[in-house]
Amino acid sequence: GGIITQTPKFLIGQEGQKLTLKCQQNFNHDTMYWYRQDSGKGLRLIYYSITENDLQKGDLSEGYDASREKKSSFSLTVTSAQKNEMAVFLCASSIRGGAGEQYFGPGTRLTVL
Amino acid sequence: GDSVTQTEGQVALSEEDFLTIHCNYSASGYPALFWYVQYPGEGPQFLFRASRDKEKGSSRGFEATYNKEATSFHLQKASVQESDSAVYYCALTLNSAGNKLTFGIGTRVLVRP
Repeated sequence: GGIITQTPKFLIGQEGQKLTLKCQQNFNHDTMYWYRQDSGKGLRLIYYSITENDLQKGDLSEGYDASREKKSSFSLTVTSAQKNEMAVFLCASSIRGGAGEQYFGPGTRLTVL
Repeated sequence: GDSVTQTEGQVALSEEDFLTIHCNYSASGYPALFWYVQYPGEGPQFLFRASRDKEKGSSRGFEATYNKEATSFHLQKASVQESDSAVYYCALTLNSAGNKLTFGIGTRVLVRP
């Protein structure tokens, strides 16, 4: 088995601030993902990385940057936090060509004041 | 674009009741379909998938059958337990590697003891 660790668990920021969320996995998976989860909107894909050194935009990439530092880690940066923004950011991983079976971390809850 | 519709936002039942959560999809091709479950405080977990018409997916007592004509993949469980209280997400992908999942908004299931 393996585990996905997301840090921090809670993140409080100010409007306009640049904020970074981190994700580590020990599944030895090639592919990693960042999703945003909003109440009433489900999960929306922000960025994914098929292998180390790869980066692909999802449907919600505007306002975010991502970085795949090494196989086991994938970071997400909110480039300019929006006031009253509140969401959970979920990191996931899968084997390459995993046919949709993804393993999720517990999430980082973002609040922007 | 491709989309998944879950008509029930919340379902409340008693233990041993029969559960049905409706999922319909709209896709430009022939998608693979998924169910994920998210327990409080955790990330979503893969439940099962189905890749072709009339294929049944199942896990942990839950099942769903791919119906291409009706564009549906309804989740059912014959006798729910309090531990089944969670949010259930239907999802699809047209990507053969399964990298780009499109999720529904989720259905919260509350099972009363």
